[in-house]
Amino acid sequence: QSALTQEASVSGTVGQKVTLSCTGNSNNIGSYAVGWYQHISHSAPKTVMFGDSLPSGIPDRFSGSKSGTTASLTISGLQPEDEADYYCSTWDYSLSGQIFGGGTKLTVL
Amino acid sequence: QVQLVESGGGVVQPGGSLRLSCAASGLIFSMFGMHWIRHAPGKGLEWVAFIRYDGSKKYYTDSVKGRFTISRDNSKNTLYLEMNSLRAEDTAVYYCAKEPGDGYNVDSWGLGTLVTVS
Repeated sequence: QSALTQEASVSGTVGQKVTLSCTGNSNNIGSYAVGWYQHISHSAPKTVMFGDSLPSGIPDRFSGSKSGTTASLTISGLQPEDEADYYCSTWDYSLSGQIFGGGTKLTVL
Repeated sequence: QVQLVESGGGVVQPGGSLRLSCAASGLIFSMFGMHWIRHAPGKGLEWVAFIRYDGSKKYYTDSVKGRFTISRDNSKNTLYLEMNSLRAEDTAVYYCAKEPGDGYNVDSWGLGTLVTVS
């Protein structure tokens, strides 16, 4: 059981806006910035957001937000190449370690 | 441009040992903390270990405590993961990853090295 909770799957059509959520508690999301990672099978993960920062090369249709103990990744204008598994992650003070959510499989219809 | 290149993976019997390396370039390696993160077949990403920029603090996920050791040589721009008493459940692709300066997240990933315990 992951310390961070994500939807198992989300789907959307090309051009649509989708939002992925990540729920934790005061020891993790409530206290630290959240990173979002895109993982396509048999390739290296890619960081699409960390805290409020959009890494170089990541399109600005990706955005992140946080409210209390829940973080969200929004993809505006969904593209076929966005189809992947998405993981949220942050530090957990009580565990003294980095934790990941179970991942959300995003399907572009 | 940051490049992280892992090596040292392979097939090992249960109870065996392996040492992974991660060669870093395109950054001032001594300024950033580094993670090892793994992806087991059919499972999600799992954080394994983290070492601060100067090696002063190390952190591990519970399942590898006492078996794995993370270390770094800033003079060689290299990160290591010494893995002992390997188990079948340690089978995964192991990625080294760099933190962006906030001390814990990840902004750059290596391509990974496959460890198979069988």
